[in-house]
Amino acid sequence: DVKVTQSSRYLVKRTGEKVFLECVQDMDHENMFWYRQDPGLGLRLIYFSYDVKMKEKGDIPEGYSVSREKKERFSLILESASTNQTSMYLCASSPGGGHTGELFFGEGSRLTVL
Amino acid sequence: EDQVTQSPEALRLQEGESSSLNCSYTVSGLRGLFWYRQDPGKGPEFLFTLYSAGEEKEKERLKATLTKKESFLHITAPKPEDSATYLCAVLATDSWGKLQFGAGTQVVVTP
Repeated sequence: DVKVTQSSRYLVKRTGEKVFLECVQDMDHENMFWYRQDPGLGLRLIYFSYDVKMKEKGDIPEGYSVSREKKERFSLILESASTNQTSMYLCASSPGGGHTGELFFGEGSRLTVL
Repeated sequence: EDQVTQSPEALRLQEGESSSLNCSYTVSGLRGLFWYRQDPGKGPEFLFTLYSAGEEKEKERLKATLTKKESFLHITAPKPEDSATYLCAVLATDSWGKLQFGAGTQVVVTP
């Protein structure tokens, strides 16, 4: 059964803390994505990667960075967490050969910044 | 600017009461339109891809259709297990990797 696994389902952090969200996929997919989901706003793309060590900015990259050192792992980093980064974070992957739009999502990481 | 608008925001149905969800979009050129289902506390799950106007896809009680400006997700004789939020997303021809999602329609089906 194919799977995208996010390391933490729930996190509570303080303003200014550095936060790491980890995502691992076991499908040998080339493409990986980080979205955040907020009520009424839908899913918004933060960063994506189409290959190891490659990254591209999405629609809302400010305040975030990413790392992809291995094909199966894509990490989202909040250098200095702020309260407006309280959200549900969703990792997704898709096969290579062009972006099909058929994404496989993890179960999400709900981050609260106090 | 690419835009995706879903309506209604929420829908409450009796079991067996068929209905339709709407996804209207504006993109410079459409590469594909995608429907997802999301259960509470879970990530979205892919349902359908539609590529061109007139195309239809079916899965159990769900049927997705596409025109040049909008897509419909028809739910026929729904059951309580069809309760979920349904998300629509579009991929523009000039927008590699950047799916544009709508805010979703929350569907509740009561017995």
